[in-house]
Amino acid sequence: AAGVIQSPRHLIKEKRETATLKCYPIPRHDTVYWYQQGPGQDPQFLISFYEKMQSDKGSIPDRFSAQQFSDYHSELNMSSLELGDSALYFCASSCAVPGLAGMGNNTGELFFGEGSRLTVL
Amino acid sequence: AQSVTQLDSQVPVFEEAPVELRCNYSSSVSVYLFWYVQYPNQGLQLLLKYLSGSTLVKGINGFEAEFNKSQTSFHLRKPSVHISDTAEYFCAVSDPRYSSASKIIFGSGTRLSIRP
Repeated sequence: AAGVIQSPRHLIKEKRETATLKCYPIPRHDTVYWYQQGPGQDPQFLISFYEKMQSDKGSIPDRFSAQQFSDYHSELNMSSLELGDSALYFCASSCAVPGLAGMGNNTGELFFGEGSRLTVL
Repeated sequence: AQSVTQLDSQVPVFEEAPVELRCNYSSSVSVYLFWYVQYPNQGLQLLLKYLSGSTLVKGINGFEAEFNKSQTSFHLRKPSVHISDTAEYFCAVSDPRYSSASKIIFGSGTRLSIRP
């Protein structure tokens, strides 16, 4: 079965450079999430998109931005990179299930990609 | 807002011994609960989830967890562990109230190390 695809898997950048991470959700999934996991840390929620609109925002720095495109893939753009941005960046996707009222209901399960490891030197 | 507490940062266990990884949550509303596993240098994989219904949930790789509403706990158990179970285990919670899928909040993780 198709899984969440992230690219690149590894990325090395210098301080103050920019980086872009890409995420391709599972087909027919409409929600994408971005998480940041620092060394020895738990994953921290950054931002999510539902049907191409931002649905929730977590601890995402102002230097970072993200969007979800018409084909549901998402990109996380990081500018003015700092040493502390070195981390594993996970993308996850999920599918909202239509409820009785015709609105999507939380299915509860997020499917995670393998992550993109960013190293800032 | 929801939060998750994993009381043990590390749990060393001998191979074939039973194990319990503890998880407590805090929430003013009903929640969905999850356990994810992260093997070294890999992504997060869902072990099991509790959405509603039976409080005993069975997952992959022989793991199970029991939802206890009165104690706000969702402890993970396995009767006999294997070397291959060495990994980081994350308890997580989400809010089922939203019409679109809700983010998952992770606990700090428990590193399970299996000794031969």
